[in-house]
Amino acid sequence: EAAVTQSPRSKVAVTGGKVTLSCHQTNNHDYMYWYRQDTGHGLRLIHYSYVADSTEKGDIPDGYKASRPSQENFSLILELASLSQTAVYFCASSGGLGSQNTLYFGAGTRLSVL
Amino acid sequence: GMPVEQNPPALSLYEGADSGLRCNFSTTMKSVQWFQQNHRGRLITLFYLAQGTKENGRLKSTFNSKERYSTLHIKDAQLEDSGTYFCAAEAGGGSGNKLIFGTGTLLSVKP
Repeated sequence: EAAVTQSPRSKVAVTGGKVTLSCHQTNNHDYMYWYRQDTGHGLRLIHYSYVADSTEKGDIPDGYKASRPSQENFSLILELASLSQTAVYFCASSGGLGSQNTLYFGAGTRLSVL
Repeated sequence: GMPVEQNPPALSLYEGADSGLRCNFSTTMKSVQWFQQNHRGRLITLFYLAQGTKENGRLKSTFNSKERYSTLHIKDAQLEDSGTYFCAAEAGGGSGNKLIFGTGTLLSVKP
């Protein structure tokens, strides 16, 4: 079965520190995404990628970087974590075309910045 | 307004009841997906639609691109149906396959 694995599942970070969230997929999908969910809200797209070694900005990219070193792996990097980045982060993958654009999500990473 | 509006924001049902959720779009969308977020926070894909209607067990979803809406109908609601339901739509053109999420419908099913 298709799988998207996120690590860590939860993290506490200090303001100004660096945080790296990792995502690994075994779906053989070209597209990978990072979303942010704030309490009581839907998901907002931070960064995405459709090929290794290339990333694209989503709707709320400020304060975040992304890295796609291989088809399977996609990282989200917070160089200088801030209080406002406390949220749950979801990684997803998709095939990208037509019905293959169906998203498969990881379990999420709960990030608390103190 | 918001590109994807989801209604109602919250819904309470008794077991065995039927109900529907709706998403309205401010512009023509290419496709829609529906997700359930369960009590553990896990997002589960329910449907992908580019047009028409799909059914899966007690769930049925319809997407009308021309009329700019999609619905999710739940029949014979069960306790495990509780959670937050999101629709997400893919705009056409150069959207890069990005999805725009609604703000969700919080469904509570009571015994």
